[in-house]
Amino acid sequence: DGGITQSPKYLFRKEGQNVTLSCEQNLNHDAMYWYRQDPGQGLRLIYYSQIVNDFQKGDIAEGYSVSREKKESFPLTVTSAQKNPTAFYLCASSTRGELPYFGPGTRLTVL
Amino acid sequence: QKEVEQDPGPLSVPEGAIVSLNCTYSNSAFQYFMWYRQYSRKGPELLMYTYSSGNKEDGRFTAQVDKSSKYISLFIRDSQPSDSATYLCAMQSAGSYQLTFGKGTKLSVIP
Repeated sequence: DGGITQSPKYLFRKEGQNVTLSCEQNLNHDAMYWYRQDPGQGLRLIYYSQIVNDFQKGDIAEGYSVSREKKESFPLTVTSAQKNPTAFYLCASSTRGELPYFGPGTRLTVL
Repeated sequence: QKEVEQDPGPLSVPEGAIVSLNCTYSNSAFQYFMWYRQYSRKGPELLMYTYSSGNKEDGRFTAQVDKSSKYISLFIRDSQPSDSATYLCAMQSAGSYQLTFGKGTKLSVIP
């Protein structure tokens, strides 16, 4: 089956810890994205990558980091510098001329 | 003024009703207009998309775009309990990879 997988589905983090969220796609899409969703806030873009080894900051990149070493993978690290990381994180991918296809999401909770 | 405004609801309707969901926007560069449906604790799924102005129909769903008024709508006919979800409008400029989302409207269809 083609699609986007995100893991884990639920993640708990202690304050001060870095955590990495996984996103893998087998759709052969060039572009990948990370969005954050908070209740009543809609989706906000954290980072996006159009090609391997290149990525750009979105609207709320502070406290996050990404890498794009492989076309299929776009992991997101939530660092201790992110002061309010509890949220639902969504990964998406797309190819030129097509709209993004979303993964199932990871719910991160800071304890 | 936010780029995309969407009434968060919640909106509760009886089964069989016609539902109207709306978004307004301020950025004249938006050319692509999308509606995503998101069930609780799931990733958004693309429901409808329209390029520029006009109407598009798909089964019980109709998407309308009025660029002169900067106003888009999604109509759901003969609403079903399975339509209960959050509906997100999204917009994109030509040549851009980024989507700008509304906050989403939570819809409940009561049997």
